[in-house]
Amino acid sequence: DQQVKQNSPSLSVQEGRISILNCDYTNSMFDYFLWYKKYPAEGPTFLISISSIKDKNEDGRFTVFLNKSAKHLSLHIVPSQPGDSAVYFCAASPNSGYALNFGKGTSLLVTP
Amino acid sequence: EAGVAQSPRYKIIEKRQSVAFWCNPISGHATLYWYQQILGQGPKLLIQFQNNGVVDDSQLPKDRFSAERLKGVDSTLKIQPAKLEDSAVYLCASSITGGSAEAFFGQGTRLTVV
Repeated sequence: DQQVKQNSPSLSVQEGRISILNCDYTNSMFDYFLWYKKYPAEGPTFLISISSIKDKNEDGRFTVFLNKSAKHLSLHIVPSQPGDSAVYFCAASPNSGYALNFGKGTSLLVTP
Repeated sequence: EAGVAQSPRYKIIEKRQSVAFWCNPISGHATLYWYQQILGQGPKLLIQFQNNGVVDDSQLPKDRFSAERLKGVDSTLKIQPAKLEDSAVYLCASSITGGSAEAFFGQGTRLTVV
């Protein structure tokens, strides 16, 4: 049973534009949400997180928005750069004491 | 700071053979995870250790998979006997605290069962 869903397997964006990656979840107990970035042949690397007490968290070009009532979060990358091309995983957990539930990932391609 | 180390990077075995993977977490990280990532899927937790105790192994196929973390540092994951559907990347991750505080992942071991 997939509790974290990333319904877009792939996304293509022009360099300099905004990339928006979406994620939905079904478990209302999830309280902590993270985005990981993965390059081929490497392990996922942490990008940004948000807890349920917030609706927005920003780190440089990356912003995560959380809509708890809709059980939806999104990652915005502005401006997108070719080096951002990777697979992005959304992950969630009930709290910091539990392991992560991952979505299937969205492959982002940023073209020059 | 050294990252999470895993070996081997790649392994090809025949079905019904056994295989073992090794993980050395970041120094000082109490929590260690093994995830299985099948092609086209997100990582799925197999087992979570806190120091040398098991916190969650509910998704570990215990008839064929086993894992240990002796002395609360290094960990090994074993599959015996392997099946074709075990072909995946096996990721080890570690974190300072008991869970989702950003887990740091190793490069993974790509297992192919033929």
